[in-house]
Amino acid sequence: EVQLVESGGGLGKLGGSLRLSCAASGFTFSTYSMSWVRQAPGKGLEWVASISSNSWYIHYADSVKGRFTISRDNVKNLLYLQMNSLRAEDTAVYYCATYYAGANDYWGQGTLVTVSS
Amino acid sequence: DMQMTQSPSSLSASVGDRVTITCRASQSISSYLNWYQQKPGKAPKLLIYTASSLQSGVPSRFSGSGSGTDFTLTISSLQPEDFATYYCQQTSSTPHTFGQGTKLEIK
Repeated sequence: EVQLVESGGGLGKLGGSLRLSCAASGFTFSTYSMSWVRQAPGKGLEWVASISSNSWYIHYADSVKGRFTISRDNVKNLLYLQMNSLRAEDTAVYYCATYYAGANDYWGQGTLVTVSS
Repeated sequence: DMQMTQSPSSLSASVGDRVTITCRASQSISSYLNWYQQKPGKAPKLLIYTASSLQSGVPSRFSGSGSGTDFTLTISSLQPEDFATYYCQQTSSTPHTFGQGTKLEIK
């Protein structure tokens, strides 16, 4: 059974940093591209970033480019999102998801990030 | 960036109704269009990928169609568990933009 478990969310300070992790199991993590998607309270879904299976191809939303870094460890089956220079508008539930055949087919349960002064 | 526009933003319907939600892309995206269902407090669930392919385990009352810029999600006979918010997403190019969502409510 595919499982994705996010962690690392919580209260972050304006201008501060947080690192999210996503632990993957139940599939061959090293062969899948992965994505981060976020959802602000009461709002819709926003794609944040994606990374190819071998980390060669990385893409970011303009809203996080230069502040967030997506990375992965294919030995530990972990996906990361390093979030720097946090803004109030980064407050959201952050989901990790597999990306296969052009779609995000499996999703974690999400981790809430709240940015406050 | 590609813009995805869903309509309607909200919809009231009854159990047994046939419902159609539309999604329009600002440029052609071929068939790189996905549909997700999200219930309150839960992660999104993939229903349809590449415009018309039914994800494994998804009931056959869900179907998708379209190509280019215009797409539809149809639920042939609404069931109580189908009341949720639905999102389209394009993966033709990054950013993989989502539509703003369609909230399907019970009439």
